[in-house]
Amino acid sequence: SQQGEEDPQALSIQEGENATMNCSYKTSINNLQWYRQNSGRGLVHLILIRSNEREKHSGRLRVTLDTSKKSSSLLITASRAADTASYFCATDEGSSYKLIFGSGTRLLVRP
Amino acid sequence: KAGVTQTPRYLIKTRGQQVTLSCSPISGHRSVSWYQQTPGQGLQFLFEYFSETQRNKGNFPGRFSGRQFSNSRSEMNVSTLELGDSALYLCASSLRADKNTGELFFGEGSRLTVL
Repeated sequence: SQQGEEDPQALSIQEGENATMNCSYKTSINNLQWYRQNSGRGLVHLILIRSNEREKHSGRLRVTLDTSKKSSSLLITASRAADTASYFCATDEGSSYKLIFGSGTRLLVRP
Repeated sequence: KAGVTQTPRYLIKTRGQQVTLSCSPISGHRSVSWYQQTPGQGLQFLFEYFSETQRNKGNFPGRFSGRQFSNSRSEMNVSTLELGDSALYLCASSLRADKNTGELFFGEGSRLTVL
């Protein structure tokens, strides 16, 4: 089962523009994470935000979390062609030793 | 520090055969998780091991099994392969011992094709 659903499924932008991806989830969480996957490769961790945090920054990444709406957003500023990848949100289910991944957003950054 | 290593990277099997995939976690990581990724179902949790104990298992048939060795290396096995088992199988390791899952470090995956 997938905890998170991401929106949009696909996003195409011009280099230099900002990209925003949204994630919604169903149950209460301890933390929410974002991962990136280049085509057919393994996932790379980008950022983790805890349930008691509302916003977090890492370089060109900004993540927000609204636990009342069970949603999160990932903003990539000043995008580059190298940012082209799929982006997944992932949540834990409380005490379950596992992450549940969303369906992902495919981002294409055009040079 | 070496990353998570998965072998083999690619393999082709036929229906009815079995397959064993291997994962070596990052040194010092005792938690190993396995995920199946397909275009239709996305990333699905298979199981998680910590210190040779399976702590959680996903909703997969009994044909899917795994184990972890004392050196934290892990293997997963799929018996009686079906066409639908074609997927990218991803292994991830973590430092976290408690129930609150932290950052996962993924390998490059083993791409299984079942003909």
